[in-house]
Amino acid sequence: QKEVEQDPGPLSVPEGAIVSLNCTYSNSAFQYFMWYRQYSRKGPELLMYTYSSGNKEDGRFTAQVDKSSKYISLFIRDSQPSDSATYLCAMSVLAGGTSYGKLTFGQGTILTVHP
Amino acid sequence: DGGITQSPKYLFRKEGQNVTLSCEQNLNHDAMYWYRQDPGQGLRLIYYSQIVNDFQKGDIAEGYSVSREKKESFPLTVTSAQKNPTAFYLCASSTTTGQANTFGSGTRLTVV
Repeated sequence: QKEVEQDPGPLSVPEGAIVSLNCTYSNSAFQYFMWYRQYSRKGPELLMYTYSSGNKEDGRFTAQVDKSSKYISLFIRDSQPSDSATYLCAMSVLAGGTSYGKLTFGQGTILTVHP
Repeated sequence: DGGITQSPKYLFRKEGQNVTLSCEQNLNHDAMYWYRQDPGQGLRLIYYSQIVNDFQKGDIAEGYSVSREKKESFPLTVTSAQKNPTAFYLCASSTTTGQANTFGSGTRLTVV
């Protein structure tokens, strides 16, 4: 069983829809949670970065963490064709009180927003 | 602008050859990483380095080697021992106390 599970999709939605992307994880030591967006043939770019359970909002994006259920989500409101990309969740643990930034990634979900 | 530069963008390797992928950062980050990305498998960690002259194996280090002689540079060599090297390779960096990795634009390696 993988430490981080993410539905690879593909997911296709109409412009303006609310998109929900999800990851589950098995390692209760994960403390930091991230969402990356990756356009085709490009490196991933950081969208959201959270530490505690709860919600974090940034523009049209909301990241949600539920540590008790080992479940994280990314919501995209008013989705646009430019949001079409692969979305990767990533997680990491604390090591000796100092984070090493070693990330464990989900498979990525391919999202297409059509006009 | 600060960032990570990977070169070349595309690389072709013949069977039995070693090739070296370049990664340079000017973000003053202490930690650097190499990931491999295959279709449908997310990113898998090959090697990482927390400080100069020190590095650790990641999850799929076999057939790869790295060096970290300078803070700014973390080259990856794909050796002939790597039996399936065709993939998209990503270099990343982070501060020692930060969690988020900043990524380069990647190198696509193809065996011909």
